[in-house]
Amino acid sequence: DAGVIQSPRHEVTEMGQEVTLRCKPISGHDYLFWYRQTMMRGLELLIYFNNNVPIDDSGMPEDRFSAKMPNASFSTLKIQPSEPRDSAVYFCASSLGPGAQYFGPGTRLLVL
Amino acid sequence: GNSVTQMEGPVTLSEEAFLTINCTYTATGYPSLFWYVQYPGEGLQLLLKATKADDKGSNKGFEATYRKETTSFHLEKGSVQVSDSAVYFCALSTNTGNQFYFGTGTSLTVIP
Repeated sequence: DAGVIQSPRHEVTEMGQEVTLRCKPISGHDYLFWYRQTMMRGLELLIYFNNNVPIDDSGMPEDRFSAKMPNASFSTLKIQPSEPRDSAVYFCASSLGPGAQYFGPGTRLLVL
Repeated sequence: GNSVTQMEGPVTLSEEAFLTINCTYTATGYPSLFWYVQYPGEGLQLLLKATKADDKGSNKGFEATYRKETTSFHLEKGSVQVSDSAVYFCALSTNTGNQFYFGTGTSLTVIP
């Protein structure tokens, strides 16, 4: 099993630019989660999907953030426009039902 | 509500010392409990889990027992190695609605 795949692994961009993070969950998993991790705030749940449908997006910080899951094998998290305070590591995770979550390696985002 | 509280770090131990990282939880119903480990620059990896009271999860020499009477899930290892240096997260999952809650993480450094 390839595990959860995220791309890119590193992203450096300038303030105001659009950033798109990508995630491929483990095949057969029906839940997908997006997290953000920073030193100051720790691990934060941004949004999660069940069977491609967004269930809870209360953690999405602002309207600048949006997430989609067009099919069971792909999800995106978009930030438009990006700001320096969005700099963080963004993790995608997936699970089969209400069980253990399996995390991807993360995308390290730096907004200058 | 549901929450996870784990001991604050950082924790520094000498190689071959005994490790305990405390974790207590508050939950309605009967959650599943997990320990995750995050090595520097990597995503969270599932270390062990327990799905019902008195279950013991174990992996790589680490153990944790689901104690319903004390609402605890303490992580233990009899003899730590330098390679165990990482951040450890306690987490719970509710069995309805798939709500997942992480503790704030405990940083462990093992010195030779």
